[in-house]
Amino acid sequence: AQKVTQAQTEISVVEKEDVTLDCVYETRDTTYYLFWYKQPPSGELVFLIRRNSFDEQNEISGRYSWNFQKSTSSFNFTITASQVVDSAVYFCALSGGTGGFKTIFGAGTRLFVKA
Amino acid sequence: DTGVSQNPRHKITKRGQNVTFRCDPISEHNRLYWYRQTLGQGPEFLTYFQNEAQLEKSRLLSDRFSAERPKGSFSTLEIQRTEQGDSAMYLCASSLDRDRDGYFGPGTRLLVL
Repeated sequence: AQKVTQAQTEISVVEKEDVTLDCVYETRDTTYYLFWYKQPPSGELVFLIRRNSFDEQNEISGRYSWNFQKSTSSFNFTITASQVVDSAVYFCALSGGTGGFKTIFGAGTRLFVKA
Repeated sequence: DTGVSQNPRHKITKRGQNVTFRCDPISEHNRLYWYRQTLGQGPEFLTYFQNEAQLEKSRLLSDRFSAERPKGSFSTLEIQRTEQGDSAMYLCASSLDRDRDGYFGPGTRLLVL
């Protein structure tokens, strides 16, 4: 069975602090994708990144960076120099197996960035 | 490519009424997925189609829920005799065949009074 665990329910930081959101996953598939989505109060899922299981290269996009480690089944997300606009719920997700894009989501981490 | 679209974006209904939502996937995508997200939770898988065939249904999809994709293009999700517990965001996603990558629509937010 597939599972995604986001152990941090809520995180509160002060603007300009760096913050890391943790994600641990379980799967028996050898081919899978990992995702991070941002969900602002409007409710729409905003896609941030996808990573396939064969690409363990870390990625940086502006203030965002992702650390994918298959050895520990983790796909952590770091925001550098956080801003108030980063306040949202962030979901880590996993797809794989015969279900194609059938996606399992973590419970989400609510990030509060205070000015 | 206009992305996945969903209509309506918001729906308020009274308990006991029937509601229907529509999802239009990305045009060349033959797989379509429905998810439900209740307050404070992550989205949960409901069902998916490959073309017009419904290949999997979650246990979350009670008898009051029915999904169709009659021509393998757009899909509808109907909830009969709505209950307050059905209040949620209903998300649709689409992908190419068995591709494990895909795209989500903006969702339909349902409020049952």
